[in-house]
Amino acid sequence: DAKTTQPPSMDCAEGRAANLPCNHSTISGNEYVYWYRQIHSQGPQYIIHGLKNNETNEMASLIITEDRKSSTLILPHATLRDTAVYYCIVRVDKAAGNKLTFGGGTRVLVKP
Amino acid sequence: NAGVTQTPKFRVLKTGQSMTLLCAQDMNHEYMYWYRQDPGMGLRLIHYSVGEGTTAKGEVPDGYNVSRLKKQNFLLGLESAAPSQTSVYFCASSSSGRADIQYFGAGTRLSVL
Repeated sequence: DAKTTQPPSMDCAEGRAANLPCNHSTISGNEYVYWYRQIHSQGPQYIIHGLKNNETNEMASLIITEDRKSSTLILPHATLRDTAVYYCIVRVDKAAGNKLTFGGGTRVLVKP
Repeated sequence: NAGVTQTPKFRVLKTGQSMTLLCAQDMNHEYMYWYRQDPGMGLRLIHYSVGEGTTAKGEVPDGYNVSRLKKQNFLLGLESAAPSQTSVYFCASSSSGRADIQYFGAGTRLSVL
């Protein structure tokens, strides 16, 4: 699985959009980009994933650059409950039994 | 629909004691996983199972055993606990068609003194 690089931390104002970057310059053609988050003292939670097209669901939007070497997770209207560590993961999808490799992630603090 | 339930939530053991962590899922998922998370670090896979009666080693399996006797349950055992096994343990499950989207339990906080 390709390695990812994320900023260690960032702050965001409540009600504003939070843009979380992820660099994955060694991504290969069959690898997807996944985002999970972990709210303090809870298990990780799946957010969204994509291959090359931008994706949107009820939680967030995922923007992947044309060369696929980086992506941005967008939380459109951050709330205090979005304070968490956000993990960007790159891997081949649907692989049987494969682990999720969680790196350091970005610690996001949403402030009132 | 409870999702993934882990018991117990907290446990303190003395070195050398044994215990079993229970994970139960009600989503009819084929795959189940046990991870550990040490302070300030990401999750590391201990063992996983791709079906009832099958188990496989992850990246840090030493000191742990697992069993999957029923599809909905995945047990993690520590036969002789060591202080190095102090950690937060997370169970997860996924469908066989989407091993990339895993659903996690709330975790078990284990301290070994």
